Amino acid sequence: AQSVTQLDSHVSVSEGTPVLLRCNYSSSYSPSLFWYVQHPNKGLQLLLKYTSAATLVKGINGFEAEFKKSETSFHLTKPSAHMSDAAEYFCVVSEDVGTGTASKLTFGTGTRLQVTL
Amino acid sequence: GAVVSQHPSRVICKSGTSVKIECRSLDFQATTMFWYRQFPKKSLMLMATSNEGSKATYEQGVEKDKFLINHASLTLSTLTVTSAHPEDSSFYICSASRQGPMNTEAFFGQGTRLTVV
Repeated sequence: AQSVTQLDSHVSVSEGTPVLLRCNYSSSYSPSLFWYVQHPNKGLQLLLKYTSAATLVKGINGFEAEFKKSETSFHLTKPSAHMSDAAEYFCVVSEDVGTGTASKLTFGTGTRLQVTL
Repeated sequence: GAVVSQHPSRVICKSGTSVKIECRSLDFQATTMFWYRQFPKKSLMLMATSNEGSKATYEQGVEKDKFLINHASLTLSTLTVTSAHPEDSSFYICSASRQGPMNTEAFFGQGTRLTVV
């Protein structure tokens, strides 16, 4: 079974300061990991994904995440927050066993990022 | 990137009526689509897996007679909320994975805000 834990339900940062959103996962197989962002009343947008290639993954809008197997973590970071980054962020794990079929995604509970002036 | 279109984006219906939500993959074929429900300020909960040409697979606790899923083609899955009640009010989101050997990314629709009055 797979699971995802987002350690912070709410994070508040000042504009221009670094962002850290924490995520730990549990998976029986080699996982694929994702970060999605959701703006109010909107669908989900993929920020970045890890699929067993480079452990440091760069995504859109300046976000990046590092896969650390020893720590079972996939924390999301950004050097400098922007007001437009304020949204809900979801860490997601997918167990891809390479069968070529779509895998179910397991979502974390989400972290609401607030960016203040 | 691949596009998944969900319609309608917002619907208000009277209690006791049925509502159909469509999920279309616009530029790729999807043998599998997923339907999620998101409660206010909560994460996404998988409701069911929709398989083209066969019955959907429902998660534990989801009433299959209430949430009817039809996946009649490789580009369209529909979710019908039958005899809707106020407690069915929620944000419903579909996702589809591109067919192929590395289906490790899901593409999400924009979501449907259902309000039952």
